[in-house]
Amino acid sequence: EDQVTQSPEALRLQEGESSSLNCSYTVSGLRGLFWYRQDPGKGPEFLFTLYSAGEEKEKERLKATLTKKESFLHITAPKPEDSATYLCAVNSGTYKYIFGTGTRLKVLA
Amino acid sequence: DAGVTQSPTHLIKTRGQHVTLRCSPISGHKSVSWYQQVLGQGPQFIFQYYEKEERGRGNFPDRFSARQFPNYSSELNVNALLLGDSALYLCASSWTLAGYNEQFFGPGTRLTVL
Repeated sequence: EDQVTQSPEALRLQEGESSSLNCSYTVSGLRGLFWYRQDPGKGPEFLFTLYSAGEEKEKERLKATLTKKESFLHITAPKPEDSATYLCAVNSGTYKYIFGTGTRLKVLA
Repeated sequence: DAGVTQSPTHLIKTRGQHVTLRCSPISGHKSVSWYQQVLGQGPQFIFQYYEKEERGRGNFPDRFSARQFPNYSSELNVNALLLGDSALYLCASSWTLAGYNEQFFGPGTRLTVL
């Protein structure tokens, strides 16, 4: 059965303190791995899609990478406005996108 | 371009009532999916519709139903509401059914069942 596990559940960083969020997955034939940002009470905002091991994508202070078993979301020199829940999802070619429970990130000024 | 829109924003119902949630996808998107998200959890898949046909259903009871209209907008219906149905209901649209397509989410409808 397809499964996604995100760690840590919560992370507190000082402004400028870089770190990484992890998304481990088990799927039978990955079609795509997706990262989203979600602010409280709002819908997830699309960040990145990764398709194959070795692929990397960047957007401002965020960089997503993919291996055959996990994906990392690296946050470089975060700012308070980066505080949010970051969700990872996978699709194995079916209609279903499987989401992890997310990492709640808090960046302190 | 307008993103995915959902209505209403908030809704309060009592146990046993019925509710209808509405979603309009991004222009040109033909696939709509519905998700339930309870506090502290990731979105859980309920339905996917493509070209007005149900293409997938998650592990939800028959009290949940949906449909997609010719203009690709969609409705999610929930009958005989339970307290446990209180959640943020999210609609997501994508170009096609293909699993490599990213989904774009609406702002959600916050349903509270008393």
